[in-house]
Amino acid sequence: QKEVEQDPGPLSVPEGAIVSLNCTYSNSAFQYFMWYRQYSRKGPELLMYTYSSGNKEDGRFTAQVDKSSKYISLFIRDSQPSDSATYLCAMSGLSNSGYALNFGKGTSLLVTP
Amino acid sequence: EPEVTQTPSHQVTQMGQEVILRCVPISNHLYFYWYRQILGQKVEFLVSFYNNEISEKSEIFDDQFSVERPDGSNFTLKIRSTKLEDSAMYFCASRKGAFRTNYGYTFGSGTRLTVV
Repeated sequence: QKEVEQDPGPLSVPEGAIVSLNCTYSNSAFQYFMWYRQYSRKGPELLMYTYSSGNKEDGRFTAQVDKSSKYISLFIRDSQPSDSATYLCAMSGLSNSGYALNFGKGTSLLVTP
Repeated sequence: EPEVTQTPSHQVTQMGQEVILRCVPISNHLYFYWYRQILGQKVEFLVSFYNNEISEKSEIFDDQFSVERPDGSNFTLKIRSTKLEDSAMYFCASRKGAFRTNYGYTFGSGTRLTVV
């Protein structure tokens, strides 16, 4: 079983739509959860991070973590064409002494005008 | 805004040759990492480096790989004898402090390594 699963999409939505992205994971030791945005041939850019369970909001972005279900989500409100990118979930836990990140494969998002 | 700088952006090398990928992390960061991304696949952890030593490495990071921080600013990844399957985008990343208080990694733009 893969540690982090993420639907690769692609996901196409009209401008202004609410986007829901999610990942599931199998390792119960994960405690730190992140969402990165990656444009083509660029490095990942940190969008959101959450420790343990709960919600976190930052502008149009909301991250949710449900550790009981081993499920994390990223919601994007009022999506813009500039949000078109690949979104990567990543997570880490105490089992990693260097806090190495375990990434999902990424979901490709296209927001059309 | 401070950034992680990687050079070169693209390197082509022949199979069996040694390559060195270079990174300049953010100056006040203490933790350094190399990740790679094979085309179409997920970003994979290679190695983490703290206090001038490797703190963790993955199964990918075998004897063909080594890392070094030679001068307090640069952070390098060396592949001794490249194989075709080493072709990938290699990302350097750095982090400022304790994971609990500062989760954020800053990634560089990557070096695309092509082994022919």
